[in-house]
Amino acid sequence: DAGVIQSPRHEVTEMGQEVTLRCKPISGHDYLFWYRQTMMRGLELLIYFNNNVPIDDSGMPEDRFSAKMPNASFSTLKIQPSEPRDSAVYFCASSFGTGGSSPLHFGNGTRLTVT
Amino acid sequence: GNSVTQMEGPVTLSEEAFLTINCTYTATGYPSLFWYVQYPGEGLQLLLKATKADDKGSNKGFEATYRKETTSFHLEKGSVQVSDSAVYFCALNPGGFQKLVFGTGTRLLVSP
Repeated sequence: DAGVIQSPRHEVTEMGQEVTLRCKPISGHDYLFWYRQTMMRGLELLIYFNNNVPIDDSGMPEDRFSAKMPNASFSTLKIQPSEPRDSAVYFCASSFGTGGSSPLHFGNGTRLTVT
Repeated sequence: GNSVTQMEGPVTLSEEAFLTINCTYTATGYPSLFWYVQYPGEGLQLLLKATKADDKGSNKGFEATYRKETTSFHLEKGSVQVSDSAVYFCALNPGGFQKLVFGTGTRLLVSP
């Protein structure tokens, strides 16, 4: 089991550029979560999917953020255009269910820096 | 609503000291409770859990008991090591298909 795989590990971009973060969940997991972590706001849930369908995107900060899950083994989080305040570590996590009976498995995150 | 409150950090201890990180919760119904740990440069991972009142979760020398009467799930370890330095998150799952609710995290720093 390779775990949840995120890419890239680090991303540095200039303000106004498009950023795409990628996630490969653990095979067989039916839920996928995108989180953002900053010193100021801690860990924030942005959006989550069940069987590839977005269930709750109320945490997505603005229309500049979008997430897709075209199939069970791949998801993307896109920021267009990026701004310096988007700098954070973005985590993807997957699980059977919503984390009650079986745990969330997190990737190692993508550290995004927008200059 | 559902929420989790953790003690502010950082918690700074010397090696072999006793650790307590406080966690209290507010929830409707009967939630499951969790502690997740985040080591530097990594994502969160489950440390332990308890699914009903009076259950004790334990792992790697850490323990936490689900106390319904005080709505608490405090994390304890009898003798911390430098390798325990991390951020610890308390979380609850309200049940059904509701998502996990995380606390703000408590940073633990253990010095030799």
